[in-house]
Amino acid sequence: DAGVIQSPRHEVTEMGQEVTLRCKPISGHNSLFWYRQTMMRGLELLIYFNNNVPIDDSGMPEDRFSAKMPNASFSTLKIQPSEPRDSAVYFCASSLFTGELFFGEGSRLTVL
Amino acid sequence: AQSVTQPDIHITVSEGASLELRCNYSYGATPYLFWYVQSPGQGLQLLLKYFSGDTLVQGIKGFEAEFKRSQSSFNLRKPSVHWSDAAEYFCAVGAETSYDKVIFGPGTSLSVIP
Repeated sequence: DAGVIQSPRHEVTEMGQEVTLRCKPISGHNSLFWYRQTMMRGLELLIYFNNNVPIDDSGMPEDRFSAKMPNASFSTLKIQPSEPRDSAVYFCASSLFTGELFFGEGSRLTVL
Repeated sequence: AQSVTQPDIHITVSEGASLELRCNYSYGATPYLFWYVQSPGQGLQLLLKYFSGDTLVQGIKGFEAEFKRSQSSFNLRKPSVHWSDAAEYFCAVGAETSYDKVIFGPGTSLSVIP
């Protein structure tokens, strides 16, 4: 079975550019999560969806960040404009049962 | 609001020795509790979970954890550590009433000495 698929795996961009991270959850899962991981702040929940509806986006750092889930098989996390402090590993995870998250391999973002 | 603390940032053990990683949570109701493991360059993988019932739960890779309500703890244990257990370990808390929201602790980095 295919797991959670994230793209790109690595992204290097310059400050001010738009960044779009993509996620394909496991088929049949009804919840999708975006996390950000840094050495300083650990693993932070940015936003999560249930049945394609955003439930809680209180973790989104600021208006430069936005996330969408247009259907059950696709989600995007967009940063516009990007800043060096956005450099991190961004994880997407999906689940069918509470707390049993399946993580993708992450997208490592470097903003110069 | 849910929160999780893991008092130990880094632990080093010898291969074959026993292991205990500490986790304390804060949540008003009965929480759902989890342990995840992250190998370098990888995403997190679920080791075990506690929802209700028996307070001692078994997981994959020989790990177990014990829920102690009186101490608000959910410590992870393994009787004999293998070199391949070196990784980052995260305790997490969730609640069904919050639409599956899961909050992770800061993690404990485990090093294993051959």
